[in-house]
Amino acid sequence: AQKVTQAQTEISVVEKEDVTLDCVYETRDTTYYLFWYKQPPSGELVFLIRRNSFDEQNEISGRYSWNFQKSTSSFNFTITASQVVDSAVYFCALSEENAGNMLTFGGGTRLMVKP
Amino acid sequence: DSGVTQTPKHLITATGQRVTLRCSPRSGDLSVYWYQQSLDQGLQFLIQYYNGEERAKGNILERFSAQQFPDLHSELNLSSLELGDSALYFCASSVSTGYPTDTQYFGPGTRLTVL
Repeated sequence: AQKVTQAQTEISVVEKEDVTLDCVYETRDTTYYLFWYKQPPSGELVFLIRRNSFDEQNEISGRYSWNFQKSTSSFNFTITASQVVDSAVYFCALSEENAGNMLTFGGGTRLMVKP
Repeated sequence: DSGVTQTPKHLITATGQRVTLRCSPRSGDLSVYWYQQSLDQGLQFLIQYYNGEERAKGNILERFSAQQFPDLHSELNLSSLELGDSALYFCASSVSTGYPTDTQYFGPGTRLTVL
């Protein structure tokens, strides 16, 4: 069965610090997809990134970067030079090819960026 | 703005009652998904519809049902409500189904409070 673990329930940093959010997943499928979503205080879920299991290249988008390592079943998310607007709950999610398009979410990491 | 709309934004009702949550997918998307976010269970997949037909079922209670109409909007019906049904209900949509490559885009959610 698929499972996503976000061990950090809450992280607090000061503005301009770098922060890494951890995500570890479990799956028996060889084809699967990993996602990160952001849930700001307003409550909506905002899509950030999708990664398939065959693409281990790291990705950078502005201050955001993602490190996918199949060897450790991890898909970590780093925010460089954090800003107050980054304060939110971040969810890692997994979908398996054999389970259709259903998303299994981790428990989320609440990031608080203080000025 | 993801393009997915949900109404109402907030709903307050009493135990034993029945409510209907409505979702309109992004233009061009044929799949609609429903998720429940609660404090104790986290984010959980409930059910998926594709072009009017049920495609996948998750941890959806028998008291809950959903449907997708010819115009592709979807409704989630919750009946015999209990206090534990209080949660944020999200609708998401994607282009198609059966392929985990699809990214799901989420609506703003409906916050249900059962008193």
